[in-house]
Amino acid sequence: EDQVTQSPEALRLQEGESSSLNCSYTVSGLRGLFWYRQDPGKGPEFLFTLYSAGEEKEKERLKATLTKKESFLHITAPKPEDSATYLCAVQAEDQGAQKLVFGQGTRLTINP
Amino acid sequence: DTGVSQDPRHKITKRGQNVTFRCDPISEHNRLYWYRQTLGQGPEFLTYFQNEAQLEKSRLLSDRFSAERPKGSFSTLEIQRTEQGDSAMYLCASRQQGALGNTIYFGEGSWLTVV
Repeated sequence: EDQVTQSPEALRLQEGESSSLNCSYTVSGLRGLFWYRQDPGKGPEFLFTLYSAGEEKEKERLKATLTKKESFLHITAPKPEDSATYLCAVQAEDQGAQKLVFGQGTRLTINP
Repeated sequence: DTGVSQDPRHKITKRGQNVTFRCDPISEHNRLYWYRQTLGQGPEFLTYFQNEAQLEKSRLLSDRFSAERPKGSFSTLEIQRTEQGDSAMYLCASRQQGALGNTIYFGEGSWLTVV
């Protein structure tokens, strides 16, 4: 069964303090790994898709990387507006629906 | 707004009542998904449509749940005889088959509270 585990569950940083969020996954065959941002009471907002080990993508202060077993979301010099829950999800090759299997998320708080 | 639209955003209902949620996907997206999310957890897959055909249902989707997409455009999710355990956010998502990037876009969700 496809599984996604995110760590830590919660992370509190000072503004400007860089860090990384981890997403470990097991999947029969990876079609894609997705990162979403979710603000309280709202739906997930798409950030990145990674398809193969070694791939990296960047957006503003965020950079996502992928290996065969895990993905990292690196946050450089974060600002308070980066506070949110970050969700990781995998899409398996053998799933006809290509549904996403999500981790439980990492709740990130950036203090000013 | 050209994103995925969900209605209502919030619903409070008494146990045993029926509720219905509506989802309007991004125009021309032929794949539509329903997910459920409880506090502190990631979204869990419920069901999936390709055009008007419901092609997959999770074991989470009990007999009290039914979803339709009659004309391959908007979709409805109905919960009959609601129970307190049904309290959650119900998320709708859509994507275009074959689209570059393979991205699934989510709506803002419909919060259900069963009292």
